[in-house]
Amino acid sequence: AQSVAQPEDQVNVAEGNPLTVKCTYSVSGNPYLFWYVQYPNRGLQFLLKYITGDNLVKGSYGFEAEFNKSQTSFHLKKPSALVSDSALYFCAVSWGGYQKVTFGTGTKLQVIP
Amino acid sequence: SQTIHQWPATLVQPVGSPLSLECTVEGTSNPNLYWYRQAAGRGLQLLFYSVGIGQISSEVPQNLSASRPQDRQFILSSKKLLLSDSGFYLCAWSPWANGGADTQYFGPGTRLTVL
Repeated sequence: AQSVAQPEDQVNVAEGNPLTVKCTYSVSGNPYLFWYVQYPNRGLQFLLKYITGDNLVKGSYGFEAEFNKSQTSFHLKKPSALVSDSALYFCAVSWGGYQKVTFGTGTKLQVIP
Repeated sequence: SQTIHQWPATLVQPVGSPLSLECTVEGTSNPNLYWYRQAAGRGLQLLFYSVGIGQISSEVPQNLSASRPQDRQFILSSKKLLLSDSGFYLCAWSPWANGGADTQYFGPGTRLTVL
């Protein structure tokens, strides 16, 4: 069965430090991979996606993610965290002709001033 | 540019009452449309999705139903609400893509409280 996992319920990082939010997936075939961010009481906002091509994907607000096929991972990264990055982050996957997306359980990112 | 609207923003309903949440999309044609529920501010549960007018796929058996009467309109309904229907309901659209669902664009959400 296809799935996506976010192993960390919460990630704490000091402002100015690099951040990583982890995501692993399990799909048959080639995955489409996404990261979204959600601020309190708001809808999700798209950050970046990988469909094909360069394994390093750059997105909004200075975020990037690296597609690693051998490790079936798509970790979200940022070189220098801002307090305003504090939010709930979701990894998501779709695949092979299916018009629906499976979301991870979300990781709460807390950037400490 | 494309925009997605949801209403109402908040709703408090008694148990057993009916429900109707509406979602409309502007600026695109033949979008895929989705209804999600988010409980306790965490994981998203896909409830329904639609790839065209009158085409509804249900993901979770429940007392909710969905309809797509027009290309860019998606409605979530219930005849009798349960306490467990409380949550944050999100509508989303995405362009249809051959290989798999593409980027989803979410509405602002409806906070439903069933008392």
